[in-house]
Amino acid sequence: QSALTQPRSVSGSPGQSVTISCTGTSSDVGGYGYVSWFQQHPGKAPKVMIFDVTQRPLGVPDRFSGSKSGNTASLTISGLQAEDEAHYYCCSYAGTYTWVFGGGTKLTVV
Amino acid sequence: QVQLVQSGAEMKKPGSAVKVSCKASGGTFNTYSFNWVRLAPGQGLEWMGGIIPIFATAKYAQKFQGRVTITADVSTSTAYMEVSSLRSEDTAMYYCARGSVEMAANEGCFDPWGQGTLVTVSS
Repeated sequence: QSALTQPRSVSGSPGQSVTISCTGTSSDVGGYGYVSWFQQHPGKAPKVMIFDVTQRPLGVPDRFSGSKSGNTASLTISGLQAEDEAHYYCCSYAGTYTWVFGGGTKLTVV
Repeated sequence: QVQLVQSGAEMKKPGSAVKVSCKASGGTFNTYSFNWVRLAPGQGLEWMGGIIPIFATAKYAQKFQGRVTITADVSTSTAYMEVSSLRSEDTAMYYCARGSVEMAANEGCFDPWGQGTLVTVSS
């Protein structure tokens, strides 16, 4: 299994929107509806922000949204805030009870 | 609310083995998947493998097959992950994370997560 492809870094100003892409194959992202997105601040455990492509857990602001088209999933963060600065990882089910993560994207709020 | 508490940091020599534990409290243990994910310096998250305790059969990422063993003790609600033949590239933070859908290791996502266990491999 190869890691899903994410941009190494993205940046945006407070109040702006950013989108992080996550590209896989028809054997993972394109083949199943189980794509999730995790936020990780330095020294902390990952936190789920989106699951099942578009679903937001209770407590996650509606500024975070997810989508998918073909083999590419996307996380959009609107109304950027300073506390959104973190690493973001996508994750997809990859068949036969295995999972694969993306390489991670560092979001900088400038 | 389910909580996962992992064992403490480890310092190991190359060629040795390490076993990390993940104790669950506050929820059902047997019927959810328990997964191990690592974060090495400068790398991204990597799914290593997982197990549903009631089935007791683990599934591994190809990269870790044969060198990683994942088990679960239902009497203590604790999952374990052992890595053998350690090398410097295994230096990483290791996390356990519970699957979010009962009786399904192929749905949902990973939530909650343990606090992480730092394993350092150095001679």
